[in-house]
Amino acid sequence: GAVVSQHPSWVICKSGTSVKIECRSLDFQATTMFWYRQFPKQSLMLMATSNEGSKATYEQGVEKDKFLINHASLTLSTLTVTSAHPEDSSFYICSAPGQGLPKLFFGSGTQLSVL
Amino acid sequence: SQQGEEDPQALSIQEGENATMNCSYKTSINNLQWYRQNSGRGLVHLILIRSNEREKHSGRLRVTLDTSKKSSSLLITASRAADTASYFCATDNTGKLIFGQGTTLQVKP
Repeated sequence: GAVVSQHPSWVICKSGTSVKIECRSLDFQATTMFWYRQFPKQSLMLMATSNEGSKATYEQGVEKDKFLINHASLTLSTLTVTSAHPEDSSFYICSAPGQGLPKLFFGSGTQLSVL
Repeated sequence: SQQGEEDPQALSIQEGENATMNCSYKTSINNLQWYRQNSGRGLVHLILIRSNEREKHSGRLRVTLDTSKKSSSLLITASRAADTASYFCATDNTGKLIFGQGTTLQVKP
């Protein structure tokens, strides 16, 4: 089955610093990847759609300059949380659709804690 | 905005019992999917039902879809302690999956 690898699993950083999260499709190519955010005991909120070779598409209310997405290759998308603040603390999860399949394969998530 | 609402929010049962979770959505869909999430982990796809299907089975899972009521249910039969997790429905109508609020299932041994 398709595997999506996400790193790091958790990160603690100081307020004002930037954090980069990587999402890789290991055994398939992903022209599109999705980034979600999840607060404790809540659902996943779609943040943006990452498109290989072009700009990401952000959902309403998501700050583009705050959450920088880069999809430089068919197997790698990155999310950079810039100038992180405590309110950015959350669980971030990436996913990619399998080739020809409407279902998503998810990374294991990144727990971000901003002090 | 979130598409789906699920109930119950939390469900606690004994091992061996059946667990039923319900999901309602608001707009038309191409398909509806159910995912499972263990605490602090990513999601795992369980089953997909297309808009022209009414029922689907996969092992101990049974999913129904009623497009007239815009609702779906997930039944887990003969539950096991290992089924303890959160379960989310997700609807697809634009190529993006929108997730419901989820049901937290606890199966007691």
